[in-house]
Amino acid sequence: EAGVAQSPRYKIIEKRQSVAFWCNPISGHATLYWYQQILGQGPKLLIQFQNNGVVDDSQLPKDRFSAERLKGVDSTLKIQPAKLEDSAVYLCASSSQTLHAYEQYFGPGTRLTVT
Amino acid sequence: AQTVTQSQPEMSVQEAETVTLSCTYDTSESDYYLFWYKQPPSRQMILVIRQEAYKQQNATENRFSVNFQKAAKSFSLKISDSQLGDAAMYFCAYRSAAGGTSYGKLTFGQGTILTVHP
Repeated sequence: EAGVAQSPRYKIIEKRQSVAFWCNPISGHATLYWYQQILGQGPKLLIQFQNNGVVDDSQLPKDRFSAERLKGVDSTLKIQPAKLEDSAVYLCASSSQTLHAYEQYFGPGTRLTVT
Repeated sequence: AQTVTQSQPEMSVQEAETVTLSCTYDTSESDYYLFWYKQPPSRQMILVIRQEAYKQQNATENRFSVNFQKAAKSFSLKISDSQLGDAAMYFCAYRSAAGGTSYGKLTFGQGTILTVHP
Protein backbone atom coordinates (compact mmCIF):
# COMPACT_ATOMS: atom_id res chain seq x y z
CA GLU A 1 0.00 0.00 0.00
CA ALA A 2 1.47 3.33 -1.05
CA GLY A 3 1.90 5.90 1.70
CA VAL A 4 1.00 9.57 1.84
CA ALA A 5 2.87 11.47 -0.83
CA GLN A 6 3.91 15.09 -0.59
CA SER A 7 5.75 17.45 -2.88
CA PRO A 8 7.99 19.28 -3.01
CA ARG A 9 10.20 18.02 -0.18
CA TYR A 10 11.99 21.34 0.16
CA LYS A 11 11.15 24.89 -0.86
CA ILE A 12 12.98 28.16 -0.33
CA ILE A 13 11.20 31.42 -1.12
CA GLU A 14 11.49 35.08 -0.25
CA LYS A 15 8.98 36.77 1.99
CA ARG A 16 5.89 38.06 0.22
CA GLN A 17 6.18 35.37 -2.44
CA SER A 18 3.59 32.63 -2.83
CA VAL A 19 4.05 28.88 -2.53
CA ALA A 20 1.92 25.76 -2.89
CA PHE A 21 2.26 22.29 -1.44
CA TRP A 22 0.66 19.14 -2.75
CA CYS A 23 -0.53 16.04 -0.91
CA ASN A 24 -1.84 12.71 -2.17
CA PRO A 25 -3.35 10.66 0.67
CA ILE A 26 -3.54 6.91 0.96
CA SER A 27 -6.11 5.53 -1.47
CA GLY A 28 -9.56 5.38 0.07
CA HIS A 29 -8.78 7.59 3.05
CA ALA A 30 -11.61 10.06 3.45
CA THR A 31 -9.96 12.31 6.03
CA LEU A 32 -6.99 14.51 5.24
CA TYR A 33 -5.07 16.77 7.58
CA TRP A 34 -2.50 19.53 7.12
CA TYR A 35 -0.21 20.23 10.07
CA GLN A 36 2.41 22.93 10.54
CA GLN A 37 5.51 21.93 12.49
CA ILE A 38 7.78 24.78 13.50
CA LEU A 39 11.32 23.74 14.37
CA GLY A 40 11.52 22.36 17.90
CA GLN A 41 7.75 22.15 18.34
CA GLY A 42 5.03 19.57 17.89
CA PRO A 43 2.82 19.66 14.81
CA LYS A 44 -0.20 21.95 14.91
CA LEU A 45 -3.33 21.23 12.89
CA LEU A 46 -4.04 23.82 10.22
CA ILE A 47 -6.99 22.24 8.45
CA GLN A 48 -8.92 18.98 8.35
CA PHE A 49 -10.95 17.72 5.39
CA GLN A 50 -13.59 15.02 5.39
CA ASN A 51 -13.85 13.98 1.74
CA ASN A 52 -13.82 17.40 0.02
CA GLY A 53 -15.45 19.33 2.87
CA VAL A 54 -13.67 21.30 5.59
CA VAL A 55 -14.22 19.94 9.11
CA ASP A 56 -11.88 22.20 11.06
CA ASP A 57 -9.89 25.21 9.87
CA SER A 58 -9.95 27.16 13.11
CA GLN A 59 -6.16 27.49 13.25
CA LEU A 60 -5.62 28.32 9.59
CA PRO A 61 -4.45 31.94 9.06
CA LYS A 62 -7.07 32.60 6.43
CA ASP A 63 -5.68 35.97 5.40
CA ARG A 64 -2.71 34.21 3.80
CA PHE A 65 -3.30 30.45 3.86
CA SER A 66 -5.78 28.56 1.74
CA ALA A 67 -6.37 24.89 1.10
CA GLU A 68 -8.57 22.80 -1.10
CA ARG A 69 -9.23 19.15 -1.68
CA LEU A 70 -10.56 18.52 -5.13
CA LYS A 71 -12.82 15.50 -5.64
CA GLY A 72 -12.01 14.31 -2.13
CA VAL A 73 -8.57 13.02 -3.06
CA ASP A 74 -5.51 15.23 -3.57
CA SER A 75 -5.09 18.44 -1.63
CA THR A 76 -3.11 21.63 -2.04
CA LEU A 77 -2.10 24.10 0.63
CA LYS A 78 -1.16 27.60 -0.49
CA ILE A 79 0.52 30.50 1.26
CA GLN A 80 0.23 33.96 -0.27
CA PRO A 81 2.07 36.11 0.70
CA ALA A 82 4.57 34.22 2.82
CA LYS A 83 6.05 35.65 6.00
CA LEU A 84 9.28 34.75 7.78
CA GLU A 85 7.31 33.01 10.55
CA ASP A 86 5.84 30.59 8.01
CA SER A 87 9.18 28.78 7.90
CA ALA A 88 8.27 25.28 9.05
CA VAL A 89 7.67 21.72 7.94
CA TYR A 90 4.20 21.17 6.51
CA LEU A 91 2.93 17.68 7.16
CA CYS A 92 0.04 16.01 5.43
CA ALA A 93 -1.72 13.04 7.03
CA SER A 94 -4.70 10.88 6.16
CA SER A 95 -6.97 8.40 7.91
CA SER A 96 -9.85 6.14 6.99
CA GLN A 97 -13.46 7.01 7.72
CA THR A 98 -14.28 4.60 10.50
CA LEU A 99 -15.37 5.37 14.03
CA HIS A 100 -12.26 3.96 15.64
CA ALA A 101 -9.80 5.02 12.98
CA TYR A 102 -6.93 5.42 15.37
CA GLU A 103 -4.07 5.94 13.10
CA GLN A 104 -3.18 8.91 11.00
CA TYR A 105 -0.61 8.14 8.35
CA PHE A 106 1.84 10.95 7.77
CA GLY A 107 3.71 11.98 4.67
CA PRO A 108 7.39 12.95 4.66
CA GLY A 109 6.59 16.65 4.88
CA THR A 110 7.64 19.74 2.97
CA ARG A 111 10.31 21.91 4.58
CA LEU A 112 9.62 25.58 3.78
CA THR A 113 12.24 28.24 4.35
CA VAL A 114 11.17 31.86 3.97
CA THR A 115 14.05 34.34 3.65
CA ALA B 1 -9.22 22.95 24.85
CA GLN B 2 -6.91 20.03 25.40
CA THR B 3 -3.21 20.51 26.05
CA VAL B 4 -0.33 18.06 26.03
CA THR B 5 2.93 18.71 27.90
CA GLN B 6 6.25 16.93 27.55
CA SER B 7 8.58 18.30 30.20
CA GLN B 8 11.75 16.57 28.98
CA PRO B 9 13.18 18.36 25.92
CA GLU B 10 16.00 15.81 25.69
CA MET B 11 16.73 12.36 27.07
CA SER B 12 19.59 9.96 26.54
CA VAL B 13 20.03 6.26 27.13
CA GLN B 14 22.71 3.63 26.67
CA GLU B 15 22.07 0.93 24.15
CA ALA B 16 20.22 -2.06 25.71
CA GLU B 17 19.11 0.05 28.68
CA THR B 18 15.59 1.26 29.53
CA VAL B 19 14.33 4.82 29.28
CA THR B 20 11.04 6.45 30.19
CA LEU B 21 9.61 9.52 28.47
CA SER B 22 7.03 11.58 30.33
CA CYS B 23 3.81 13.16 29.14
CA THR B 24 0.95 14.88 30.91
CA TYR B 25 -2.24 16.18 29.40
CA ASP B 26 -5.21 18.26 30.36
CA THR B 27 -8.76 17.52 29.29
CA SER B 28 -12.29 17.64 30.60
CA GLU B 29 -13.33 14.70 28.45
CA SER B 30 -13.68 11.17 29.78
CA ASP B 31 -13.23 9.30 26.51
CA TYR B 32 -10.19 9.87 24.36
CA TYR B 33 -7.12 8.27 22.83
CA LEU B 34 -3.47 8.83 23.60
CA PHE B 35 -0.57 8.14 21.30
CA TRP B 36 3.18 8.15 21.12
CA TYR B 37 4.65 9.03 17.74
CA LYS B 38 8.26 8.72 16.66
CA GLN B 39 9.82 11.16 14.21
CA PRO B 40 13.31 10.20 13.00
CA PRO B 41 15.49 12.82 11.34
CA SER B 42 13.90 11.89 7.99
CA ARG B 43 10.70 13.48 9.38
CA GLN B 44 8.29 10.62 8.62
CA MET B 45 6.01 10.47 11.65
CA ILE B 46 5.39 6.89 12.76
CA LEU B 47 2.88 5.62 15.30
CA VAL B 48 4.61 3.77 18.15
CA ILE B 49 1.77 2.90 20.48
CA ARG B 50 -1.79 3.92 21.32
CA GLN B 51 -3.96 3.78 24.42
CA GLU B 52 -7.73 4.03 24.69
CA ALA B 53 -8.76 5.95 27.79
CA TYR B 54 -11.54 3.48 28.63
CA LYS B 55 -9.04 0.64 28.92
CA GLN B 56 -7.39 0.16 32.28
CA GLN B 57 -4.74 -2.15 30.93
CA ASN B 58 -1.58 -0.44 29.77
CA ALA B 59 -0.75 -0.90 26.10
CA THR B 60 2.39 -2.72 25.03
CA GLU B 61 4.03 -3.15 21.63
CA ASN B 62 7.13 -5.31 21.75
CA ARG B 63 9.80 -3.20 23.52
CA PHE B 64 7.46 -0.26 23.98
CA SER B 65 4.97 0.05 26.82
CA VAL B 66 3.04 2.83 28.47
CA ASN B 67 2.09 3.74 32.01
CA PHE B 68 -1.36 5.31 31.72
CA GLN B 69 -2.59 7.04 34.85
CA LYS B 70 -6.00 8.48 33.96
CA ALA B 71 -6.68 10.22 37.25
CA ALA B 72 -3.28 11.88 37.19
CA LYS B 73 -3.59 12.58 33.44
CA SER B 74 -0.19 11.06 32.88
CA PHE B 75 0.94 8.93 29.94
CA SER B 76 4.59 7.86 29.95
CA LEU B 77 6.41 5.74 27.39
CA LYS B 78 8.92 3.08 28.43
CA ILE B 79 11.41 1.80 25.89
CA SER B 80 13.15 -1.38 26.97
CA ASP B 81 16.35 -2.77 25.50
CA SER B 82 17.00 0.50 23.67
CA GLN B 83 18.44 0.26 20.18
CA LEU B 84 20.34 2.76 18.06
CA GLY B 85 17.34 2.91 15.73
CA ASP B 86 15.19 4.25 18.57
CA ALA B 87 16.97 7.60 18.38
CA ALA B 88 14.39 10.15 17.27
CA MET B 89 12.03 12.86 18.41
CA TYR B 90 9.10 11.39 20.33
CA PHE B 91 5.75 13.10 20.50
CA CYS B 92 2.88 12.44 22.83
CA ALA B 93 -0.50 13.18 21.26
CA TYR B 94 -4.14 13.37 22.33
CA ARG B 95 -7.25 12.72 20.28
CA SER B 96 -10.81 13.20 21.40
CA ALA B 97 -13.22 10.29 21.03
CA ALA B 98 -16.14 12.68 20.71
CA GLY B 99 -17.70 13.50 17.38
CA GLY B 100 -18.07 16.90 15.83
CA THR B 101 -15.38 19.19 14.54
CA SER B 102 -12.74 17.96 16.98
CA TYR B 103 -13.00 14.39 15.72
CA GLY B 104 -9.72 13.03 14.43
CA LYS B 105 -7.64 16.08 15.34
CA LEU B 106 -4.37 15.26 17.11
CA THR B 107 -3.01 17.63 19.73
CA PHE B 108 0.74 17.13 20.12
CA GLY B 109 3.18 17.86 22.89
CA GLN B 110 6.45 19.71 22.27
CA GLY B 111 8.44 16.53 21.79
CA THR B 112 11.39 14.82 23.47
CA ILE B 113 14.63 14.19 21.61
CA LEU B 114 15.94 10.75 22.47
CA THR B 115 19.63 9.99 21.97
CA VAL B 116 20.86 6.41 22.17
CA HIS B 117 24.54 5.92 22.99
CA PRO B 118 26.33 2.79 21.79
